[in-house]
Amino acid sequence: KAGVTQTPRYLIKTRGQQVTLSCSPISGHRSVSWYQQTPGQGLQFLFEYFSETQRNKGNFPGRFSGRQFSNSRSEMNVSTLELGDSALYLCASSPRTGSNTGELFFGEGSRLTVL
Amino acid sequence: AQTVTQSQPEMSVQEAETVTLSCTYDTSESDYYLFWYKQPPSRQMILVIRQEAYKQQNATENRFSVNFQKAAKSFSLKISDSQLGDAAMYFCAYGTSYGKLTFGQGTILTVHP
Repeated sequence: KAGVTQTPRYLIKTRGQQVTLSCSPISGHRSVSWYQQTPGQGLQFLFEYFSETQRNKGNFPGRFSGRQFSNSRSEMNVSTLELGDSALYLCASSPRTGSNTGELFFGEGSRLTVL
Repeated sequence: AQTVTQSQPEMSVQEAETVTLSCTYDTSESDYYLFWYKQPPSRQMILVIRQEAYKQQNATENRFSVNFQKAAKSFSLKISDSQLGDAAMYFCAYGTSYGKLTFGQGTILTVHP
């Protein structure tokens, strides 16, 4: 079974631009969540999508948004990029079935550099 | 708000020895999950071990075991017979809702041959 796939793996943008990151969850997993990882702030929860609906949201500005498609694939978008948005963005999937084990399966991440 | 604290930014251990990584958390919830994740230099986070708060028995996975002290809100990870491949950043994490985990700042583990 293929793991969580994130694209692109690396990208460089300039301030003011926008970026879209993609995540394909493990087959059969219907929940996708996103995390931002930086040396200073560590791992911070962005949001979680399930059945194309945002179920949880972290404490990030409205420039950060996401969506989920009917095949469970998810995208996140960051508009009007700032230098502080440089980070590793991690996507994670889970089955989100009735028996919640809480375990998340992570992708390798998308490394965003904002110049 | 829930918080997770890892007080050891870095730890080192000799190959074949035992090391314990510390984690404390703060919550008012009674039902939750605790995790240790490993992030090797390749970056992909891998689940090491999981503990349900309602279970009194400490979880074990081969060379990895936890010491879960619910009243003290402590959740330490013990790695026995350390191997070179254990070198990584280790994150302690807390979760209640689907998809939302609160992570500690991480502990970098170095394993010396």
